[in-house]
Amino acid sequence: RKEVEQDPGPFNVPEGATVAFNCTYSNSASQSFFWYRQDCRKEPKLLMSVYSSGNEDGRFTAQLNRASQYISLLIRDSKLSDSATYLCVVTGGFKTIFGAGTRLFVKA
Amino acid sequence: DTGVSQDPRHKITKRGQNVTFRCDPISEHNRLYWYRQTLGQGPEFLTYFQNEAQLEKSRLLSDRFSAERPKGSFSTLEIQRTEQGDSAMYLCASSLVGRGGYEQYFGPGTRLTVT
Repeated sequence: RKEVEQDPGPFNVPEGATVAFNCTYSNSASQSFFWYRQDCRKEPKLLMSVYSSGNEDGRFTAQLNRASQYISLLIRDSKLSDSATYLCVVTGGFKTIFGAGTRLFVKA
Repeated sequence: DTGVSQDPRHKITKRGQNVTFRCDPISEHNRLYWYRQTLGQGPEFLTYFQNEAQLEKSRLLSDRFSAERPKGSFSTLEIQRTEQGDSAMYLCASSLVGRGGYEQYFGPGTRLTVT
C-alpha cells in the first residue's frame, strides 16, 4: 500500500461545477498536510495547508480527518484555470510524501 | 525574483557522464530539499538539509548521487555515471522551519535527459 494515495482521475467537469478530491495516508503519526497544484511541466505550487479544524481560501476548502486518515479538497465554481494536477502532501518527522496527483480538466 | 532558483533548467547528457545541478533557496529559508519526479508521478523525496547538515537521505539516493550544501545557502546535487533511468525532473524546494510553517516552495526544476 502506498503511503499517500490519490485517485489519479482525470476528473472532467464543466465550468462552474463543484469538485472534490480525497487523499488517504497510512502513517497515523503524520503531522502536517498540504495541497499543491502542478501545471503540466511546471513545478508544484502550494495551494493551501490543511488544518484539523478545516480551512477555506476563496473557492477552495480543505479538510483533515485524522481518525480516518484522509484529507480532502473541495473546489467550488470551477474555472478553466483550475485545470491542473492536484498533489496531496503529508509530512511527519523527516519525511515528506507526495501523492501521485489527481488530474482535473475543467471544460467550457 | 526572490523565489527558489535552479540551474540549469535542462540538461542532456550521455550515459556514463557526470552531471551537477545547483539550487538557490529562498534566502532566509533554513531547510532545502531535493526531489525527483517522473511522468505521471508525484515528486519523490531524495534528501534534505537543515542549514548545512544533511539530515535525511532516501534509499532512492544511490551511491552515484551526492548532495552538498556547504555554507547552508545554495546546494548542489551530483549524479555520477548517469544511467537512462536517471532521466527525470529534479526539483529543489526550501522551507523556513522554526516559525511554525513547514510549507515548501519549489524551484522550476532541472529536466535531465540521459541518452
